[in-house]
Amino acid sequence: NAGVTQTPKFRILKIGQSMTLQCTQDMNHNYMYWYRQDPGMGLKLIYYSVGAGITDKGEVPNGYNVSRSTTEDFPLRLELAAPSQTSVYFCASSTGRRTGELFFGEGSRLTVL
Amino acid sequence: AQKITQTQPGMFVQEKEAVTLDCTYDTSDQSYGLFWYKQPSSGEMIFLIYQGSYDEQNATEGRYSLNFQKARKSANLVISASQLGDSAMYFCAMSLYNFNKFYFGSGTKLNVKP
Repeated sequence: NAGVTQTPKFRILKIGQSMTLQCTQDMNHNYMYWYRQDPGMGLKLIYYSVGAGITDKGEVPNGYNVSRSTTEDFPLRLELAAPSQTSVYFCASSTGRRTGELFFGEGSRLTVL
Repeated sequence: AQKITQTQPGMFVQEKEAVTLDCTYDTSDQSYGLFWYKQPSSGEMIFLIYQGSYDEQNATEGRYSLNFQKARKSANLVISASQLGDSAMYFCAMSLYNFNKFYFGSGTKLNVKP
């Protein structure tokens, strides 16, 4: 049981480049999330999805896009990377039940130079 | 707007002693859940404990307990008999049942001294 898998684990981008962070889960969870964690800080919600075909903005969506074509996959797209997007990105999923905690991927460390 | 506040950026505790990590939250919703996560230096997020807003008893999971005071909007994590492996960042989080979005505090870095 792999849980939540994110790729890549590390990436360095140049300003203005674009990339996609991949996230897949094998727990058949309807709810999926993307968070970013800046150094020494908590997690900020970028986007989330309550099911295939449904996405919504979180607290810090600017500069990002998402799609949810299947239950399993929830990729995060960075367009025109900026130094302010240097962060650790976490993908997570949950059952959506009241007591359902978040299951996290291992994180993706992105540096924009 | 929903907000989670952790006022202790860093804490030290002696091995085998108990420690309380503070968390206060702000929401006008009546239905919500409170969670604590541990983040070791390796970076992964580990779920520790959950408390529902309608739960009358404080949640416990092994050495972890959650001191839930609804009127004060606080959800403090108590770790009993601290171990060296407890050294990590600890995050308090809240989920609103109607929206299923999780909001996180800024974290507390716990250092357990031998």
